[in-house]
Amino acid sequence: TQLLEQSPQFLSIQEGENLTVYCNSSSVFSSLQWYRQEPGEGPVLLVTVVTGGEVKKLKRLTFQFGDARKDSSLHITAAQPGDTGLYLCAGDSGTYKYIFGTGTRLKVLA
Amino acid sequence: GAVVSQHPSWVICKSGTSVKIECRSLDFQATTMFWYRQFPKQSLMLMATSNEGSKATYEQGVEKDKFLINHASLTLSTLTVTSAHPEDSSFYICSARAPPGQGSYEQYFGPGTRLTVT
Repeated sequence: TQLLEQSPQFLSIQEGENLTVYCNSSSVFSSLQWYRQEPGEGPVLLVTVVTGGEVKKLKRLTFQFGDARKDSSLHITAAQPGDTGLYLCAGDSGTYKYIFGTGTRLKVLA
Repeated sequence: GAVVSQHPSWVICKSGTSVKIECRSLDFQATTMFWYRQFPKQSLMLMATSNEGSKATYEQGVEKDKFLINHASLTLSTLTVTSAHPEDSSFYICSARAPPGQGSYEQYFGPGTRLTVT
């Protein structure tokens, strides 16, 4: 069974701080996605990474796919209250079926 | 583009009754749709993969006779929770994947359906 462990599980920080969320697995993924989910809503796709070592930036968010394609990280610079939410990574082992990580609940305090 | 809708957005039913949840891709054709459930403060757990015109593939531990999935067209998949019990109360989310040639293999999520069984 493929498992995607995210750390930390919970994170509460002040506005303006930086943070990094990690997504780790012992399995290799052909692609990996990051989502943000608000309470009572479906996940919203932030980015898809497919190449080992790939780095993608989305405004203040930086995503990195590990060289071995087993792990990924999400770095947020100067966090804002609007960044509050549940961050989920999801990996595809090549079957186009995504397995979700355990989730990281972020709260940014004004 | 790439909008997925779900209906209803929330439903309350009595124990023992059945509930049908619809998932529609509004502006693209989806040969494959996925059904997930999410308990409070937890991540999404894949229940089954729904393929248009064929039987759904269920994940280990998911009862196929309890969670009936029908993918009758390229834009609609339905999940029926049969003989619902309070432990089936959850947030059910579907996603749809565009077929090859229509952009990517990314999946697009619906807004979810909150089911409460009393």
